[in-house]
Amino acid sequence: DAGITQSPRYKITETGRQVTLMCHQTWSHSYMFWYRQDLGHGLRLIYYSAAADITDKGEVPDGYVVSRSKTENFPLTLESATRSQTSVYFCASSDPRVAGVTDTQYFGPGTRLTVL
Amino acid sequence: DAKTTQPPSMDCAEGRAANLPCNHSTISGNEYVYWYRQIHSQGPQYIIHGLKNNETNEMASLIITEDRKSSTLILPHATLRDTAVYYCIVRVAMGGAQKLVFGQGTRLTINP
Repeated sequence: DAGITQSPRYKITETGRQVTLMCHQTWSHSYMFWYRQDLGHGLRLIYYSAAADITDKGEVPDGYVVSRSKTENFPLTLESATRSQTSVYFCASSDPRVAGVTDTQYFGPGTRLTVL
Repeated sequence: DAKTTQPPSMDCAEGRAANLPCNHSTISGNEYVYWYRQIHSQGPQYIIHGLKNNETNEMASLIITEDRKSSTLILPHATLRDTAVYYCIVRVAMGGAQKLVFGQGTRLTINP
């Protein structure tokens, strides 16, 4: 019963490099989300996906790319990492079909990314 | 989504009930109140949600005032592991794209 997992948990990269953060959920939830969390800003939505092959921008999408070829995976790619993208990244999933619960999101453990 | 106001921090003694308030005076009729918490360095964790009636689950109780302009999350017997930032979120349950807007929350410290 893995739930929702993220990898890597920690990543250090350099400015200009491409890096991909992985998110995998075992519940077959239709919705998946990427947030970033910075001191003083709380959590901010980057991208979300309503289903496989359907993605949409959140509050802070610039510099990020997502894809969702399979329901269970939702990778987040920083095409050319910048220092301002140093943050903790959380993936989440939800499914309105879950009986008795609406709009509840289940979060992964997070990936701490440092861009030097 | 309606704006929420929470105290920035609170303390509670271990074993006592922790009562976390939230004001949402502009809440509209179809907006739910959700509570999440985030324990240090972990992902946010869903606690409870409600619309009009008081709700209780294995983690907490949610008391919503009759005019729905405020609510209180109650942790009945707080433990040290309940030390976390607690977020009150008000939003429409659309059964669809459910982006959560997290404010600054209340930092709850449980003292031994």
